[in-house]
Amino acid sequence: ILNVEQSPQSLHVQEGDSTNFTCSFPSSNFYALHWYRWETAKSPEALFVMTLNGDEKKKGRISATLNTKEGYSYLYIKGSQPEDSATYLCASAIITTSGTYKYIFGTGTRLKVLA
Amino acid sequence: DGGITQSPKYLFRKEGQNVTLSCEQNLNHDAMYWYRQDPGQGLRLIYYSQIVNDFQKGDIAEGYSVSREKKESFPLTVTSAQKNPTAFYLCASSINRGSGYTFGSGTRLTVV
Repeated sequence: ILNVEQSPQSLHVQEGDSTNFTCSFPSSNFYALHWYRWETAKSPEALFVMTLNGDEKKKGRISATLNTKEGYSYLYIKGSQPEDSATYLCASAIITTSGTYKYIFGTGTRLKVLA
Repeated sequence: DGGITQSPKYLFRKEGQNVTLSCEQNLNHDAMYWYRQDPGQGLRLIYYSQIVNDFQKGDIAEGYSVSREKKESFPLTVTSAQKNPTAFYLCASSINRGSGYTFGSGTRLTVV
């Protein structure tokens, strides 16, 4: 069974704290790893698409790293702000035996930043 | 502005009735998808379409049907055969099957 696990499930941090969470995914037949940010009552919004082992991406105070050999990605938020409160979803894209792509989503990490 | 529109936002259905959820995109994306979210679970793929007039079953297609007559539109019908239809449904599109998604804002379906 192919699973994408995200941890923690939820966390509360104080404004100004830095935080990070983990996405674990199947390392075989890896194609890409996607991070999405999903605010309540809005659409999930793409943050990063990562494909290469060792990739590091950054968008403002948010950054992500990728280790395809061991099957994990970290998302970091530096100096959290209340507007960072959202669910952060990761999705692993793998190539199937038939040559098609399959996306597997994690259950997300729910972040609440307290002012 | 390009994007995906899902309607309605909330939908109530009586048991035994079919209901159709709308998904329209103006991004010129070839691929479109329907996902279902249940509490405590990741998004699960119902159906996807890589091109007009073609679609494939996802992991949980039973009790659902789709059509793709136009590039912009990928409606999902929840039939009476779907045993547990109450859920949050998300539509998405992408340039192709392997690229990142643009999502709609979802439809919450409740069977009463």
